[in-house]
Amino acid sequence: QSVLTQPPSVSGAPGQRVTISCTGGSSNIGANSDVHWYQQLPGTAPKVLIYGNNNRPSGVPDRFSGSKSGTSGSLAITGLQAEDEADYYCQSYDSSLSQWVFGGGTKLTVL
Amino acid sequence: EVRLLESGGDLVQPGGSLRLSCAASGFTFNYFAMSWVRQAPGKGLEWVSRVAGSSGNTDYADTVKGRFTVSRDNSKNTLYLEMNSLRTEDTAVYYCAKMRGATREVWYMDVWGKGTTVTVSS
Repeated sequence: QSVLTQPPSVSGAPGQRVTISCTGGSSNIGANSDVHWYQQLPGTAPKVLIYGNNNRPSGVPDRFSGSKSGTSGSLAITGLQAEDEADYYCQSYDSSLSQWVFGGGTKLTVL
Repeated sequence: EVRLLESGGDLVQPGGSLRLSCAASGFTFNYFAMSWVRQAPGKGLEWVSRVAGSSGNTDYADTVKGRFTVSRDNSKNTLYLEMNSLRTEDTAVYYCAKMRGATREVWYMDVWGKGTTVTVSS
């Protein structure tokens, strides 16, 4: 069981908006640790999509946005495109474990 | 261009040992902490270990503590992961990743290598 909880799968039609949640606890997201998001396209290494809760690295489209509230983080994707079909992971730091932790991952299917 | 290139993955028997390497280029290596992250077949990402940029301070996941040792040679711009007492559950693609941020609570992995495959099987 992952310290951070994500839905196993989400889906949406092209052009739609989807959100992926990442629920933690008082020793990680709720303890003021940042939430980061990674995209892993099939057969490739992960790449950072959102860092520091809501910041996009250069080159990441503004269709992707992140937010954080309380013990949870959220990734929103608007204007869904076929190329967005991938696995998405959240990541934070857990002060009780003294370890960096990932969510279990969410598979996004574009219908 | 910032690049990370892992090597050393192999098929090894349970109880065996293996050393992974990660060659870095395109950035000032000793300025940044580095991590190893693994992904078992069909599973999610699991952080494995971290080493600081110049102090040598290390952290490990509970699943590998006491069996794996992370180190770096800043003169060679290379990160290492020494893996001992390997178990079948250590089978995974191992990625090295450059870490970025000011404190532990904000650190994230901003650059990843392509990974190297470790298979533990008899």
